[in-house]
Amino acid sequence: NAGVTQTPKFQVLKTGQSMTLQCAQDMNHNSMYWYRQDPGMGLRLIYYSASEGTTDKGEVPNGYNVSRLNKREFSLRLESAAPSQTSVYFCASSEAWRMNTEAFFGQGTRLTVV
Amino acid sequence: GENVEQHPSTLSVQEGDSAVIKCTYSDSASNYFPWYKQELGKRPQLIIDIRSNVGEKKDQRIAVTLNKTAKHFSLHITETQPEDSAVYFCAANPPGGGADGLTFGKGTHLIIQP
Repeated sequence: NAGVTQTPKFQVLKTGQSMTLQCAQDMNHNSMYWYRQDPGMGLRLIYYSASEGTTDKGEVPNGYNVSRLNKREFSLRLESAAPSQTSVYFCASSEAWRMNTEAFFGQGTRLTVV
Repeated sequence: GENVEQHPSTLSVQEGDSAVIKCTYSDSASNYFPWYKQELGKRPQLIIDIRSNVGEKKDQRIAVTLNKTAKHFSLHITETQPEDSAVYFCAANPPGGGADGLTFGKGTHLIIQP
């Protein structure tokens, strides 16, 4: 039982390049989330998907897009990377969309934009 | 939306002593308060949570207390051990979910001194 799996673990991009972060969960959870973590800022929600077929903006959605490919997979895309998007990105999933149940996190993707 | 304040940002205690981390929240409708532990370079993991119909919850050396009137909740760790060294995040979840689904504090870096 792998839980939540993210790829890649590390990535360096040049300003203006694009990339997609992949996330998959095998717990049959309905809800999935993308967070970014910056020093001293905690975890901030970028986008979430309450259920398959729906996506909504979180606190810091600018510069990102998401796709809920199916119940298992939720990807995050940076169309034109900027240095301000240097961060650690975490995907998470939970059984209930309001997250009143435990959220399980992936291992994180450390992204550097130069 | 919900706003969660967490203090202190850094806490250093002697091994064997107790540690207390405090959080306040703004939305009186919030009804779920989890605590996550993140070891260096690892993913956040749930250690304990409490719901608004409960005032205190314990799990071995860890306890969480909730004061709904004052809108604050605290994490208590007794008999601290070196493996307790980590960053701890509190969070609050209002029942409406959505973009405010789970709002995290900025984290407390707990250092256990030998």
